Amino acid sequence: GAGVSQSPSNKVTEKGKDVELRCDPISGHTALYWYRQRLGQGLEFLIYFQGNSAPDKSGLPSDRFSAERTGGSVSTLTIQRTQQEDSAVYLCASSPLAGELFFGEGSRLTVL
Amino acid sequence: SQKIEQNSEALNIQEGKTATLTCNYTNYSPAYLQWYRQDPGRGPVFLLLIRENEKEKRKERLKVTFDTTLKQSLFHITASQPADSATYLCALDLTSGTYKYIFGTGTRLKVLA
Repeated sequence: GAGVSQSPSNKVTEKGKDVELRCDPISGHTALYWYRQRLGQGLEFLIYFQGNSAPDKSGLPSDRFSAERTGGSVSTLTIQRTQQEDSAVYLCASSPLAGELFFGEGSRLTVL
Repeated sequence: SQKIEQNSEALNIQEGKTATLTCNYTNYSPAYLQWYRQDPGRGPVFLLLIRENEKEKRKERLKVTFDTTLKQSLFHITASQPADSATYLCALDLTSGTYKYIFGTGTRLKVLA
């Protein structure tokens, strides 16, 4: 079956523009995660969705960042008024409850 | 503050030797600890999961230990091969049973032929 799909794979934008990053998780997975990975760094937790529970947004770095998950499936991470410091790879993962995380290949964001 | 530490320095070993990577944590009481492999430009790939009540888990040439008293996990690759060269990440759930996984910074392993 298909794995986690992320789009776009690459996005170049100008400072101040808004961007949307999309994640299609594996069907049936109840948990969905977003992480940010700056060049040469580890994974930074952003947000976590689990079933119908309220998402854990504790990792979102500012109010410019938001995410939603529609119908318990597809998720969109939105970054408003992008800054150069937002340049990174944004990784999405999905998981069955208590299981391993399945990652997509990431969306590489470059803010000029 | 809560913290997960992995060897920040790259680890170089000779082919055929055993590679040992460490993951130390503070101020957590995780129920699960996982190890992932990440190749350049790719997403992490799951390797092993170990539960808090398990001391050791094995899978082929991989072995993971989990010491909740020392707050440490060790990850071993025996009979290492150049193809094992990658960055290895540990992850643990922030609070027992939440499945909210926080990752360490990773250790880059290079196996020399």
